[in-house]
Amino acid sequence: DVKVTQSSRYLVKRTGEKVFLECVQDMDHENMFWYRQDPGLGLRLIYFSYDVKMKEKGDIPEGYSVSREKKERFSLILESASTNQTSMYLCASSFTGTSSYNEQFFGPGTRLTVL
Amino acid sequence: DAKTTQPPSMDCAEGRAANLPCNHSTISGNEYVYWYRQIHSQGPQYIIHGLKNNETNEMASLIITEDRKSSTLILPHATLRDTAVYYCIVRPRYNQGGKLIFGQGTELSVKP
Repeated sequence: DVKVTQSSRYLVKRTGEKVFLECVQDMDHENMFWYRQDPGLGLRLIYFSYDVKMKEKGDIPEGYSVSREKKERFSLILESASTNQTSMYLCASSFTGTSSYNEQFFGPGTRLTVL
Repeated sequence: DAKTTQPPSMDCAEGRAANLPCNHSTISGNEYVYWYRQIHSQGPQYIIHGLKNNETNEMASLIITEDRKSSTLILPHATLRDTAVYYCIVRPRYNQGGKLIFGQGTELSVKP
């Protein structure tokens, strides 16, 4: 079974702190994604990566950065956390290629609260 | 990517078929229809996808109209564990990084 794990299930940080959210997948997937999910807004894509050291902005990249130094690991960084970044953060991964069957596998999520 | 429209919520009796509709009237020829669901406090889970033919797997069936402007996800015998938010997504077959754009989805409540 594909496994996508996230470093924390719940996290509480203070405004201005630097926050690292880690995601690891064990299926040698090329693509990895970070989303945030908020009530009434659904899932929104923050950043994605289709290869090591490659990154692309999603729909809401402001206030975030990412790092992909190894294929299995994709980190989301909040340089200076703010209260409006309180949210559920979801990581996902998928194979690339020309197959239409590029389903994304999601981790359990990290619920981040910024005080 | 084409926009989709789904009803915000639906109820279904346990053991009955749940039919979840999705409109995607601006879908283009190279776009597939994907369905995911998200059970409370979990990450989304892939269910099924299709291009123009009806598809079935162990979880569900997908019926796509001939003009491809709408589709229906069918859970043939809904159980309480099928209570979740169901997302209908369309995306091109060749899509760098395999991006998905999630809409608001349909919140399905399966009742005893």
